[in-house]
Amino acid sequence: GAGVSQTPSNKVTEKGKYVELRCDPISGHTALYWYRQSLGQGPEFLIYFQGTGAADDSGLPNDRFFAVRPEGSVSTLKIQRTERGDSAVYLCASSLDRGNSPLHFGNGTRLTVT
Amino acid sequence: AQSVTQPDIHITVSEGASLELRCNYSYGATPYLFWYVQSPGQGLQLLLKYFSGDTLVQGIKGFEAEFKRSQSSFNLRKPSVHWSDAAEYFCAVAQISGNTGKLIFGQGTTLQVKP
Repeated sequence: GAGVSQTPSNKVTEKGKYVELRCDPISGHTALYWYRQSLGQGPEFLIYFQGTGAADDSGLPNDRFFAVRPEGSVSTLKIQRTERGDSAVYLCASSLDRGNSPLHFGNGTRLTVT
Repeated sequence: AQSVTQPDIHITVSEGASLELRCNYSYGATPYLFWYVQSPGQGLQLLLKYFSGDTLVQGIKGFEAEFKRSQSSFNLRKPSVHWSDAAEYFCAVAQISGNTGKLIFGQGTTLQVKP
């Protein structure tokens, strides 16, 4: 079936604006992860959902970042009052469960804050 | 704190030559280790993983990696590189044993393949 889908693929916004990034995981995958990848760096963990609940949000950098997954499928990462330092590729990944199932990554959303 | 170090930011090899990408980790317990590959504009793809058992693990696309606890290393190897292997490679360790989705990644190594 289809892989992890992320939309939009690119997003340009002005400093101070609000943005939403969407992730559509593989059907049946209960675990969903958000990562952020800055230029020249490896991905950094942001938040993990098991079903509808955020099981671990320890990677969110501050309270401007928030994510939801209301029906246990699609997730939205929301960033308020964007700053230039938020510019990065935001990656979403899903897996069958919390255990040793492999992660399947989407192609990411490239966010540019001007 | 757990960490992953990939000492080589950029490596260039000739097509057909052998390849070794280095990875060192810092982790208190038995680590869950991974290698991912990322092609331009693409998501990360899992090459191989080590959880336990045989320290030499085989992956996709002809890659293998060897876990060496004494050296805290998990180096990736390929006997003969193909032009299509040019990409960015990331080593990662699971932050929590048993939850292999919460990963710490290294900075990555960019592989360039010369014809």
